[in-house]
Amino acid sequence: KQEVTQIPAALSVPEGENLVLNCSFTDSAIYNLQWFRQDPGKGLTSLLLIQSSQREQTSGRLNASLDKSSGRSTLYIAASQPGDSATYLCAVSPTGFQKLVFGTGTRLLVSP
Amino acid sequence: DAGVIQSPRHEVTEMGQEVTLRCKPISGHDYLFWYRQTMMRGLELLIYFNNNVPIDDSGMPEDRFSAKMPNASFSTLKIQPSEPRDSAVYFCASTGARVNTEAFFGQGTRLTVV
Repeated sequence: KQEVTQIPAALSVPEGENLVLNCSFTDSAIYNLQWFRQDPGKGLTSLLLIQSSQREQTSGRLNASLDKSSGRSTLYIAASQPGDSATYLCAVSPTGFQKLVFGTGTRLLVSP
Repeated sequence: DAGVIQSPRHEVTEMGQEVTLRCKPISGHDYLFWYRQTMMRGLELLIYFNNNVPIDDSGMPEDRFSAKMPNASFSTLKIQPSEPRDSAVYFCASTGARVNTEAFFGQGTRLTVV
């Protein structure tokens, strides 16, 4: 059974810092990995999707990498801002059709 | 498109009552998913549909839970009878038919069973 773990569970940083969120999964047979952002009381917003054949994806200040063989992904946030404060979730898709298995999440707080 | 629309946003009900959650997926999306989020278990897939047909309901916790998708633009998740342990946030998501397309989530329904 696929299990997805995220470390750390919570992270607090001052504004401007670069930071890395980690995601690990137990079964490397995945089609893709997706990073989401969840604001309190809100739904999930997709940030980046990395296909299994890809190594990384970038969007603005965000960069996500994938090492499928070792079961790891990282989300790099450059020059963090208070508006980045949210919970970040990674999820893997074993089938390619978004039947997602979610990680435990990292709660990020960026202080001004 | 307005995105995935869920209703109601909040629902408080008494134990034993029937609860119906509603979802309107993004137009043109072929897949619809129901997830449940709790502090203890995180986000879990309950059931998903492809072209209105239920494909995998192995995540539905008990027979008290049922889901339908009568047409491409509407789905319901029903709990009957509801119990306090059903309290959670229920999300609906939809995605297109191509592999490796992003999932779009609704705002969720926060259900409290007292």
